[in-house]
Amino acid sequence: EIALTQSPGILSLSPGERATLSCRVSQSVGSSFLAWYQQKPGQAPRLLIYAATNRASGIPDRFSGSVSGTDFTLTISRLEPEDFAVYYCHQSGRSPITFGQGTRLEIK
Amino acid sequence: DVQLVESGGGLVQPGESLRLSCAASGFTFRGYWMHWVRQAPGKGLVWLSRISNDGSDTSYAGSVRDRFTISRDDAKNTLYLQMNSLRVDDTAVYYCGRGGLSGYIDYWGQGTLVTVSS
Repeated sequence: EIALTQSPGILSLSPGERATLSCRVSQSVGSSFLAWYQQKPGQAPRLLIYAATNRASGIPDRFSGSVSGTDFTLTISRLEPEDFAVYYCHQSGRSPITFGQGTRLEIK
Repeated sequence: DVQLVESGGGLVQPGESLRLSCAASGFTFRGYWMHWVRQAPGKGLVWLSRISNDGSDTSYAGSVRDRFTISRDDAKNTLYLQMNSLRVDDTAVYYCGRGGLSGYIDYWGQGTLVTVSS
């Protein structure tokens, strides 16, 4: 089973700052099979990024994804108040599909 | 608009069974792979199962492989998850999701809560 390790577990930042969230994959899965989701309390997850670098429909361009080998990064260039949430990475390249444990982005 | 609406959750005792449904609308259901994902209270997302667009290919997480069965009825635009031998640690919100081209989940239902307790 492929393990996805997200860091940090909790990220405390202020609106307007830049957020960098990491997801390290234990085995190569191919960048086509890595996605990022945002989840707010009491809500279903929402797809942000698919195939490592592609923004989903309706996602603001302050969200971006990048990859270097088995290290994937979600960057939020300038935090808005509505961006404070939990973020998950997800791989679908090898069965079983797995999620990272999540990064909680909280207001400092 | 794409809509996914789960139902069938509730309170059951350990060892009992439950069938969840996910009613899909706003897209051509038979053209998409579909997924089930769950989230225990205060915990992260856990992928459970997926089914191909024609129903011929299914896969499961190891924790549920011998107890849960995914299926679909394209005539009813509905996805199912049959859950048998439920355990206390199956307590979670269960989400259905539509599969994207490379296995990501592009649309999610609002979830249905399953509580397993004696």
